[in-house]
Amino acid sequence: KAGVTQTPRYLIKTRGQQVTLSCSPISGHRSVSWYQQTPGQGLQFLFEYFSETQRNKGNFPGRFSGRQFSNSRSEMNVSTLELGDSALYLCASSLQKSTDTQYFGPGTRLTVL
Amino acid sequence: AQTVTQSQPEMSVQEAETVTLSCTYDTSESDYYLFWYKQPPSRQMILVIRQEAYKQQNATENRFSVNFQKAAKSFSLKISDSQLGDAAMYFCAYRSGISNFGNEKLTFGTGTRLTIIP
Repeated sequence: KAGVTQTPRYLIKTRGQQVTLSCSPISGHRSVSWYQQTPGQGLQFLFEYFSETQRNKGNFPGRFSGRQFSNSRSEMNVSTLELGDSALYLCASSLQKSTDTQYFGPGTRLTVL
Repeated sequence: AQTVTQSQPEMSVQEAETVTLSCTYDTSESDYYLFWYKQPPSRQMILVIRQEAYKQQNATENRFSVNFQKAAKSFSLKISDSQLGDAAMYFCAYRSGISNFGNEKLTFGTGTRLTIIP
């Protein structure tokens, strides 16, 4: 069974631009979560989607948004990019329940210049 | 809010030896799950082991085992017969076991960088 895939793997943007990252979960998984990883803040939870609905959100500004499609694929969008948004963005999928283990994708490395 | 603490930023071990990584957590919940994830230089986060809080028996996966002390809120990872491929950043993580939607997030510690000495 294929793992979680994320595209693109690397992105370079400039301040003020917006960016969209994509995540395809493991087949059969309906929950998708997003995390931001930076050297200074570590791993921080962004949001989680299940059945096209956001059911949990971390403490990030409104510039960070996401959505999930009917096939469980998810996208996250960051508008008006800031230098501090440079990070590794990790997507994780799980079956559906809060007790299910999350499996991670390889991440998207975003650099904001 | 739950917190996870990893007090060892770096550890090293000789190849074939045993090493233990420490993790403590703070929660008022009685039902929860604990995880160890490994992040090698490729940056892919890989699940190492999972422990359910309601299980008294410590989880084991091949060379990896945990020492789960619920009363002390301690969850250490023991790696036996260390191999070069074990070199990575290791993260301890907590997840609530409450079934209400909204508690699905993982709370991570700051990580321990493990170096394997040939």
